[in-house]
Amino acid sequence: EVQLVESGGGLVKPGGSLRLSCATSGFTFSGAWMSWVRQAPGKGLEWVGQIKSKSGGGTPVYAAAVKGRFTISRDDSKDTLYLQMNSLKTEDTALYYCTTGNGGGWGQGTVVTVSS
Amino acid sequence: DIQMTQSPSAMSASVGDRVTITCRASQGISSNLAWFQQKPGKVPKRLIYSASTLESGVPSRFSGSGSGTEFTLTISSLQPEDFATYYCLQHDTFPLTFGGGTNVEIK
Repeated sequence: EVQLVESGGGLVKPGGSLRLSCATSGFTFSGAWMSWVRQAPGKGLEWVGQIKSKSGGGTPVYAAAVKGRFTISRDDSKDTLYLQMNSLKTEDTALYYCTTGNGGGWGQGTVVTVSS
Repeated sequence: DIQMTQSPSAMSASVGDRVTITCRASQGISSNLAWFQQKPGKVPKRLIYSASTLESGVPSRFSGSGSGTEFTLTISSLQPEDFATYYCLQHDTFPLTFGGGTNVEIK
């Protein structure tokens, strides 16, 4: 069974940083393309970014709203996906999900609140 | 960026109704489209991928069609557990983009 467990969310001041983790099991993580998706309170789904498998080049790509501030990485030895978020803005407040590929599997999400 | 225009944004329907939701892409995306269902307070669930392929375990009353720029999600006979918000996602071109969502409410 595919399992994705996000952690690392919390309350941070504007301009601050946070690193989210997504621990995975039940599938071959090293071969999987992985994504982050977020959902602001009461709003729709927003794609944040995706990272290819190492064999696929391992290149991350980002939404314009986070490019230059967020970094997606992976540790295949730990079956874990990361989202490093810097220069956080109030509009980054959301529930952050990690997903396999294009949304086949989802974690429960972790809440990020950016507020002074 | 490819814009995904989903319609309607909200609708009221009765149990047993046939429901159709549309997503229109601002440029051609072949069949690289997925549909998701999200119930309040729950994690989104993929129903359909590659525009028309039903995920394992998803009831056959759900179906997807279309290619290029025009796509539809159809629920042939709405059931009480189908009241939810539905989203499309194009995964043809980066950045990936979701539609704005369709909230299906009980009439």
